[in-house]
Amino acid sequence: DAKTTQPTSMDCAEGRAANLPCNHSTISGNEYVYWYRQIHSQGPQYIIHGLKNNETNEMASLIITEDRKSSTLILPHATLRDTAVYYCIVRANDSGGYQKVTFGTGTKLQVIP
Amino acid sequence: SAVISQKPSRDICQRGTSLTIQCQVDSQVTMMFWYRQQPGQSLTLIATANQGSEATYESGFVIDKFPISRPNLTFSTLTVSNMSPEDSSIYLCSVIPYNEQFFGPGTRLTVL
Repeated sequence: DAKTTQPTSMDCAEGRAANLPCNHSTISGNEYVYWYRQIHSQGPQYIIHGLKNNETNEMASLIITEDRKSSTLILPHATLRDTAVYYCIVRANDSGGYQKVTFGTGTKLQVIP
Repeated sequence: SAVISQKPSRDICQRGTSLTIQCQVDSQVTMMFWYRQQPGQSLTLIATANQGSEATYESGFVIDKFPISRPNLTFSTLTVSNMSPEDSSIYLCSVIPYNEQFFGPGTRLTVL
């Protein structure tokens, strides 16, 4: 599995855009970039994913660089409820066809009033 | 989407005992995944459970310590055997229908 690196923590003012970076320099051509978040004491929640084009949904936008070695998750108007740990991962299929996912340490985003 | 429930939601257990965690999914899925999240840490994959075959364990995890059952396409159990305080963690099951991964709410285990 490709490894990802993220900053350990970030702060963002409420109402401002939160931009969370992720490096995945060893990503393979068929691997997708996924973002999840985990609010304290809950299971991780899917946010968004993409292969090479930028993606947007009701929660966030995902910007993937042209070389696919890095990406940025954008929360356009952060609220206090967006305070969570955000995980950037890449999906791999091994020879057995398993869809195994490896989680890194994530970025702890603190939204400040 | 997939809705996942886990039982129990939390438990406090004595050293040397075993606990079986149940995971129920509202749709049929080929593979179910069990993760562990130790306090303040990220998620670590324990094993992948296929219906009708033995689970595949990740490095550092063995069947004797974490036996898994997968009797049908919507249910799985993970047993934490001969527990020690180091097993205190949140245990989560997960499925990936199509291209989106869903997680259960987790089972918070404390071993005294």
